[in-house]
Amino acid sequence: AQKITQTQPGMFVQEKEAVTLDCTYDTSDPSYGLFWYKQPSSGEMIFLIYQGSYDQQNATEGRYSLNFQKARKSANLVISASQLGDSAMYFCAIGGSARQLTFGSGTQLTVLP
Amino acid sequence: NAGVTQTPKFQVLKTGQSMTLQCAQDMNHNSMYWYRQDPGMGLRLIYYSASEGTTDKGEVPNGYNVSRLNKREFSLRLESAAPSQTSVYFCASSELGTTNYGYTFGSGTRLTVV
Repeated sequence: AQKITQTQPGMFVQEKEAVTLDCTYDTSDPSYGLFWYKQPSSGEMIFLIYQGSYDQQNATEGRYSLNFQKARKSANLVISASQLGDSAMYFCAIGGSARQLTFGSGTQLTVLP
Repeated sequence: NAGVTQTPKFQVLKTGQSMTLQCAQDMNHNSMYWYRQDPGMGLRLIYYSASEGTTDKGEVPNGYNVSRLNKREFSLRLESAAPSQTSVYFCASSELGTTNYGYTFGSGTRLTVV
């Protein structure tokens, strides 16, 4: 069984500042993947970033980076230079050998002008 | 546009009615999934199909049935809708061996059962 825990129901950040969204996970699979998705108020699921459990380096995609600490079972998302358009719900998810995704409960991020 | 197409986008049902949610993907992916998202929560897996001809239960399968019609299409059926099935339903597809699993989500179906 896999589990994702997101302990921040809501976060606020000032425009142009960086913000870290927390995610911890639990899994018995030796090989797994960690995902972050953005869900704006329009409802679609937008893929942001992926980290494989055997990847040596932390993943980066533009302003998004994933701070992967395997020993601590954490996979925090860092958004640099926040923009008003970053206001959305953010979900962390884990995929195991069967590739089904297990999602956390999400963090609502609000970027303040 | 390539991707996952879900129909309908919105639906209102009366308790006890049945309906089928349709999903089709044109990326030649082997695996397809149905998730539901309740207000303020993350997505939860209902059923999945690892490959054409196979289906398996996910975390919340009760009250649903699925059919993998062919490699492209994966439908979700509610035989007797209940208010507890009011939710947003997402279909997704993926492919083994691709970066980030090649996961692609449809735009969702918002279902209300009254």
